[in-house]
Amino acid sequence: QSVLTQPPSASGTPGQRVTISCSGSSSNIGSNTVNWYQQLPGTAPKLLIYSNNQRPSGVPDRFSGSKSGTSASLAISGLQSEDEADYYCAAWDDSLPGVVFGGGTKLTVL
Amino acid sequence: QVTLRESGPALVKPTQTLTLTCTFSGFSLSTSGMCVSWIRQPPGKALEWLALIDWDDDKYYSTSLKTRLTISKDTSKNQVVLTMTNMDPVDTATYYCARIFHSSSSSYFDYWGQGTLVTVSS
Repeated sequence: QSVLTQPPSASGTPGQRVTISCSGSSSNIGSNTVNWYQQLPGTAPKLLIYSNNQRPSGVPDRFSGSKSGTSASLAISGLQSEDEADYYCAAWDDSLPGVVFGGGTKLTVL
Repeated sequence: QVTLRESGPALVKPTQTLTLTCTFSGFSLSTSGMCVSWIRQPPGKALEWLALIDWDDDKYYSTSLKTRLTISKDTSKNQVVLTMTNMDPVDTATYYCARIFHSSSSSYFDYWGQGTLVTVSS
């Protein structure tokens, strides 16, 4: 049981926009910034979004993040086949203290 | 260029102690804001954070595993070591080390190692 809650799966067709939610609490998302990681099959996770809505260099602007209260979202517009991956949200949790992850969302491009 | 590489045994027996080493380059763990963390991922399952050590030698552990984990650093060797005692088959996972960039406003894993698969079996 992960501390942050994500839907286990999401899907879309090429060109569509999909969103993945991440729900937490006041001690994690409510108090700290949210980061998103993309894990392509058979590879290590990669930083996708940091500080709620910032993209590292090299990440396409099709990927965007937002946060409101104790929830966050990752949006992917102009969906492409190479976006098929697992996506994880994460945040620092003041009550532990430590890092907490979501259970991951498997994105399928139909 | 920042790189991290995990090393350690691929197979351990139940009840044994696992020792993993993260060897990194491209940054110094004595620089303010730098941290290294361990994360694991059982086959087909989600990421699980394990432990973190920061530039000031402060250490943080997963609540559920803290009695079994020890994290330490050797700044001169650019290494971070994680030990996990009393290994069990449920601890079979790919173990990653990752750098955390930490500031007053945010912290995130910006670089990851490739991971090392550890299987626990007799």
